[in-house]
Amino acid sequence: DAKTTQPTSMDCAEGRAANLPCNHSTISGNEYVYWYRQIHSQGPQYIIHGLKNNETNEMASLIITEDRKSSTLILPHATLRDTAVYYCISSRGNFNKFYFGSGTKLNVKP
Amino acid sequence: GAVVSQHPSWVICKSGTSVKIECRSLDFQATTMFWYRQFPKQSLMLMATSNEGSKATYEQGVEKDKFLINHASLTLSTLTVTSAHPEDSSFYICSAPGGSSYNEQFFGPGTRLTVL
Repeated sequence: DAKTTQPTSMDCAEGRAANLPCNHSTISGNEYVYWYRQIHSQGPQYIIHGLKNNETNEMASLIITEDRKSSTLILPHATLRDTAVYYCISSRGNFNKFYFGSGTKLNVKP
Repeated sequence: GAVVSQHPSWVICKSGTSVKIECRSLDFQATTMFWYRQFPKQSLMLMATSNEGSKATYEQGVEKDKFLINHASLTLSTLTVTSAHPEDSSFYICSAPGGSSYNEQFFGPGTRLTVL
């Protein structure tokens, strides 16, 4: 069952940073935090994942709190094409299951 | 990154017929694949885990006789919706673990099933 909670929706102005929060207060020590996004009628797209340390790649940054009970996905310069539903998932990875929560609908506005 | 494909991308069928959906890992081997279902404006719901060479395992509440899963090879899993009814109309998505340490899930583009 889904073990993460996220706000239902968020707005962001184009060109500004989008900060998407996720609560995973029951995460266990060997579970990663994953972020995916889904654009309408497509399969989910991988964004980033992390265990304890903050992570950054060409798409986004992931900030995980020290107690690992929450995290924030940062899209540094949001564009209209970043409008999507963003899912935060906790999983042990390595062939383990993903249970999706309801996600956050990010609306990037001009 | 690794690529997962699905076929068909959409299908329309009559009530009572069976429909087969294929999920392929194109450039990597997948001994495990996952199947999800997504209704409009809802999140993805995990249906089952497909295992190469053994039986699939189903999530609670998912009818195994209704949704037949076959993992025929290291790159192919199929989901057959048997005796489909309008309430089975949905978006079906598969995924496969890959990447270094198999810590990433690669998702297919999805199959839109409409049952008339």
